[in-house]
Amino acid sequence: DIQMTQSPSSLSASVGDRVTITCRASQNINSYLNWYLQKPGKAPDLLIYGASNLQNGVPSRFGGSGSGTDFTLTISSLEPEDFATYYCQQSYTNPRTFGQGTRVEI
Amino acid sequence: EVQLVESGGGLAQPGGSLRLSCAASGFAFRSYGMNWVRQAPGLGLEWLSHISASGATIYYADSVKGRFTISRDNAKNSLYLQMNTLRVEDTAFYYCARDATSWRDFDPWGQGTLVTVSS
Repeated sequence: DIQMTQSPSSLSASVGDRVTITCRASQNINSYLNWYLQKPGKAPDLLIYGASNLQNGVPSRFGGSGSGTDFTLTISSLEPEDFATYYCQQSYTNPRTFGQGTRVEI
Repeated sequence: EVQLVESGGGLAQPGGSLRLSCAASGFAFRSYGMNWVRQAPGLGLEWLSHISASGATIYYADSVKGRFTISRDNAKNSLYLQMNTLRVEDTAFYYCARDATSWRDFDPWGQGTLVTVSS
């Protein structure tokens, strides 16, 4: 199975900060990397697919990059509604493993 | 509106069974692969199973292989997860999710249904 490792596991930030979350795959997954945001008590929502494609309706302050084994989610300027948990997921092969999550808090 | 709605969660005893359903609306259900994902309270996301659009191809996570069965009824726009030989560690929120694009990303997700396994 492909292991997905996110870092950091949690971070503290302020509104307006630039935030970067990294995700590393245990083997090459090309660009089959997706990012999700989950708020407490809610289902996850898709942010980025195919490593760098912004999902319809997602604000442009979110961006994704990377290929192969190393990927990055960047939030250019944090808004209050961005405080949540972020997950990466590889969809290159089954099982479609998730990272352990990164909690972004104030 | 593209929507997925799960049902069937509840309390089950260890060794018992439950059948979850996921009702799809707002899109051509028969054209999309579907998935089940779960999340134990306070923990991360775990992919469980995938079924192709036709139902011909199925995959499972090792943690549920041999105990859970995914299926679909394209005429009823519905996805199912039959869960047998339940364990305490199967306690979680269970989500259905659609394979959205050729990148096999998940969108949308249902709201989730809670399964509690306890004696």
